[in-house]
Amino acid sequence: NAGVTQTPKFRVLKTGQSMTLLCAQDMNHEYMYWYRQDPGMGLRLIHYSVGEGTTAKGEVPDGYNVSRLKKQNFLLGLESAAPSQTSVYFCASSPWESSYNEQFFGPGTRLTVL
Amino acid sequence: AQKITQTQPGMFVQEKEAVTLDCTYDTSDQSYGLFWYKQPSSGEMIFLIYQGSYDEQNATEGRYSLNFQKARKSANLVISASQLGDSAMYFCAMHSNSGGSNYKLTFGKGTLLTVNP
Repeated sequence: NAGVTQTPKFRVLKTGQSMTLLCAQDMNHEYMYWYRQDPGMGLRLIHYSVGEGTTAKGEVPDGYNVSRLKKQNFLLGLESAAPSQTSVYFCASSPWESSYNEQFFGPGTRLTVL
Repeated sequence: AQKITQTQPGMFVQEKEAVTLDCTYDTSDQSYGLFWYKQPSSGEMIFLIYQGSYDEQNATEGRYSLNFQKARKSANLVISASQLGDSAMYFCAMHSNSGGSNYKLTFGKGTLLTVNP
């Protein structure tokens, strides 16, 4: 099992450009998440999905869109990148359980917006 | 709303000694879970330990233990017999089990642990 994978690992964009980050998991998990990590800020939830075809906003959703057309994939889109979106982006997934809900993280994508 | 506070931006410990990383949390929910993750310099997030709010025993996983004090709303991570490979950023996180929202983690800002030889 590959676990949670993210594509690409690094990317440099110019302000106003668009891009899509791909997250894939092979653990048949129901829940998937996108976080961003900034220095001194910890991880903050951008968007999440509780199942195929569903998405919801997290703590910092502005400037991002997501889609979950297939259970194993969760896409994060930036329609018009801004320097404030320079960050490390982590995808995570977790199984549906009533209490213990460990999230499994991907390796991260380092995005720089110039 | 939930909040996690990690008051130690950085900690130093000598190899083979024990170290405690502090974490306090704030929530109005009765049912919740607390996690600790490790992030080495390579960047990946590694799950270490979990404590449920109704668990009577403190969680332990090898050299990691969670000192859970519910009344004080604290969930400190204790690492025994520190190793050089323990040098990393450590994050405390929590989720609520109320109202079906047990899938959203709230993270603290982290503590950078350095283990000295």
